Amino acid sequence: QKEVEQNSGPLSVPEGAIASLNCTYSDRGSQSFFWYRQYSGKSPELIMSIYSNGDKEDGRFTAQLNKASQYVSLLIRDSQPSDSATYLCAVISGANNLFFGTGTRLTVIP
Amino acid sequence: DAGVIQSPRHEVTEMGQEVTLRCKPISGHNSLFWYRQTMMRGLELLIYFNNNVPIDDSGMPEDRFSAKMPNASFSTLKIQPSEPRDSAVYFCASSGTGRNQPQHFGDGTRLSIL
Repeated sequence: QKEVEQNSGPLSVPEGAIASLNCTYSDRGSQSFFWYRQYSGKSPELIMSIYSNGDKEDGRFTAQLNKASQYVSLLIRDSQPSDSATYLCAVISGANNLFFGTGTRLTVIP
Repeated sequence: DAGVIQSPRHEVTEMGQEVTLRCKPISGHNSLFWYRQTMMRGLELLIYFNNNVPIDDSGMPEDRFSAKMPNASFSTLKIQPSEPRDSAVYFCASSGTGRNQPQHFGDGTRLSIL
């Protein structure tokens, strides 16, 4: 079992819609969770971090964490074509090791 | 603040040649990570350093790969001899002191072994 699992997609949403990206993790003791955005040909860029159960909002982005279900998600409201990218879920587990999911490719259709 | 700086941005070389990738972490960060990314395998952690000391190199694929961090501001990843299957994008990332710090990535080196 992989440490972090994501649906690889592709996920397509129309412009203005809400994009929902999901991630599950295997280590129940994990404490830190991150979402990275990676444009094609570019490096991963940190966009959200979350450490406590519940929601964390930053502009059009909302990260949701449910430790009991070992589930973390990212919602993108009012999706824009510029949001089209691969979104990587990352979880710190064990001895401060950061594990990445394989990423979900999002396409926002104008 | 300057981000993580990697060089070269692109490298094309023939199999059997030695390849050296370089990384300068963000000033003040004490952890440095080397990753490899391919379409098939995604982002893989190769090795990471804490305070210039290698902590976990279990991701290094084989003895042809080696990494060093002689000081807090410089690290190298070396492949000798290189093989076509080593072709990938290699990222360096750094993070600050303390647990649970996010990593910040450099722009990567796109390596092609012919």
